[in-house]
Amino acid sequence: SQQGEEDPQALSIQEGENATMNCSYKTSINNLQWYRQNSGRGLVHLILIRSNEREKHSGRLRVTLDTSKKSSSLLITASRAADTASYFCATVISNDYKLSFGAGTTVTVRA
Amino acid sequence: DAGVIQSPRHEVTEMGQEVTLRCKPISGHDYLFWYRQTMMRGLELLIYFNNNVPIDDSGMPEDRFSAKMPNASFSTLKIQPSEPRDSAVYFCASSPGQGSRGTFGSGTRLTVV
Repeated sequence: SQQGEEDPQALSIQEGENATMNCSYKTSINNLQWYRQNSGRGLVHLILIRSNEREKHSGRLRVTLDTSKKSSSLLITASRAADTASYFCATVISNDYKLSFGAGTTVTVRA
Repeated sequence: DAGVIQSPRHEVTEMGQEVTLRCKPISGHDYLFWYRQTMMRGLELLIYFNNNVPIDDSGMPEDRFSAKMPNASFSTLKIQPSEPRDSAVYFCASSPGQGSRGTFGSGTRLTVV
C-alpha cells in the first residue's frame, strides 16, 4: 500500500493562479519530499522537508508539514504553463530509508 | 555530473524473452532504488541497495524478477521470462545518504508483446 496519498488527483488552473495540492501519510516520517514529473520523463526532486520543520520555500514553491495531522501541502504560486506536470509526495519513514510515493496530482496550467 | 543513466530507453520484447535493464547511479551515491510505474499501480518500489547490498526486495513482484549491483557504479534489473503485464516504465534512482533526495534516471519503457 502507498504511504502517501495526494489530493486532488487532478487540478486545472489558469496561468498566474496558485495551485495547492495535499499529501496525507500514515506513519511517522523522517522526512517528506515533493517531486515533479513531466510527461514521459523521470521524476525531478523539488523540496525535502524534515519532520522537525513546518515550512520550506524554494522559488515559487512553498511546502508545509503538519506532523500532528500527518499531512503536507505544496503550493505553487503564480503558475506558468511550464508547471504542467504530475506532482508526487514521497515519504521516508523513520528507521527505513526507502522513498515511498503517492499516486500523484496531475496539474494542468492553461495559458 | 551526467546524472543517473539508464539503458535502454525503450525495449520491446516478446513474451517469454529475457529482459535486462541497466542503471549507472551518480558517483558517490550509496543508495540505489528500482521503481516501476504504471497507470494502474503508480510508482512501486521494487528493490533498493545500500553500498551494493540489497536491503529490501519486498516489492519485487515475482521470482521472475531479479536485481544485482555488482559494484558501486552499475546495477541491473532482469525479468525472465517476461510477460505482457510487466509492461511499464522502470526507473532507477540514487541518493547520497539515508533519506536524502533521490535523483532519477529517465527510465526504460518496457513493452512486452
